[in-house]
Formats: sequence, structure tokens, C-alpha cells
Amino acid sequence: GIQVEQSPPDLILQEGANSTLRCNFSDSVNNLQWFHQNPWGQLINLFYIPSGTKQNGRLSATTVATERYSLLYISSSQTTDSGVYFCAVGAGNNRKLIWGLGTSLAVNP
Amino acid sequence: DGGITQSPKYLFRKEGQNVTLSCEQNLNHDAMYWYRQDPGQGLRLIYYSQIVNDFQKGDIAEGYSVSREKKESFPLTVTSAQKNPTAFYLCASSPRGAGGFSYNEQFFGPGTRLTVL
Repeated sequence: GIQVEQSPPDLILQEGANSTLRCNFSDSVNNLQWFHQNPWGQLINLFYIPSGTKQNGRLSATTVATERYSLLYISSSQTTDSGVYFCAVGAGNNRKLIWGLGTSLAVNP
Repeated sequence: DGGITQSPKYLFRKEGQNVTLSCEQNLNHDAMYWYRQDPGQGLRLIYYSQIVNDFQKGDIAEGYSVSREKKESFPLTVTSAQKNPTAFYLCASSPRGAGGFSYNEQFFGPGTRLTVL
């Protein structure tokens, strides 16, 4: 099955810094989502991005499907950005999302 | 106010008891899913349903059961056969995709934390 690898596993930033999170996947996909899991466990949809580039405020994402990776950019980080960022991919008819282990982000004031 | 609701937020169970976790959505989504998350891990699929009165096993279905009698509701029962049920359970839904054969973005409820005492 498809393997999903996220890097780095942990990241500590000072408020205001920028960061790039990476998601590599081992096969062709037709669904790729980025999520932020907050300290209460809620999964918040950031991007649905099987290909191309999207931006939403301070966050943007790029998926290069032919090279099997996706990047999540966080600019001017804030303490509320802390939490775990997950990448999940789907193939075929998208019945199942395959999840990476996440990047744990801590933003210090 | 559309969304996915899960209840209860916290649940404690004694060993040997069955418990049922509720998941309701008012997004008119066709597909619904149940995932389990253990500390430091990604999510693993327990069951999913694409249509009323139909559901399929995911990767870790043993010890769990589901029903889909209504489009809006997809309850999960954790049975006494589940050997290690303490975990965070997340319900999701997604709309039918183009052509009716694929599914798009999944959206998640707030989760239920189950602890077996």
C-alpha cells in the first residue's frame, strides 16, 4: 500500500518565524489533505490539494504529484499554530485516507 | 450551522462492557468514516459507509461494529471483543465526488476519548 512520510517529526519555532513541512508519498494519489490537530484533538482542514498550489492567509501548500511530495508553508508563525500537522492521501476512489505520523509544531512566544 | 457532532466527548468503560459512540452530520454527505487514533500516531480506519444500509470494514475492524440506518447517523459500537479499546475516536464524512464514484475532502468531528478502566 501507499506509504506516507512526514518531516520533520518535531519542530520548535519562535513566534514570527517561517517553516516548511514536507509530505512524501510512495505512489500516485488523487486526494491529499493537510490537517492541523489542535491540543484538544480537533482535526482542522487546512488544504485539499491533490495537485497545484493553494494559499489561505499565512498558510500555503504545494503538491507536485509527479514527484510525489507536498509542502506546507507556515509564515509569520503564531503560538496558536502549535499542534500536530498531518498529511493524508487517498488513491482510487478515496475510500481510505492513508496518514503520515505528523509533524509536531511548538511555537514559543 | 452545518457540521459533524460526536458524543460523548469523554467515555469511561469497564472491561467487558459494550459502548456506543454517536456520530451525526447535517452536511448531507453520502460517505461517513470512523477512525481510531493512538498517542503519537496517525489515524487508522475502522469502518466506512458510502450509502445508507451499507458499510465496509477498514484496516482495524475487529472488535467494532457499526450501523447506517440514516444518512445523517453512523454510530460505532466498541464491543468487549476489542482487546485494547482505550483511544481517541474520530468520525468523518465526505461528499460524493464527480461521477458519483469517488469521494473528496473528508471533514472531521471533535472526537470521543474512550478510556477502559
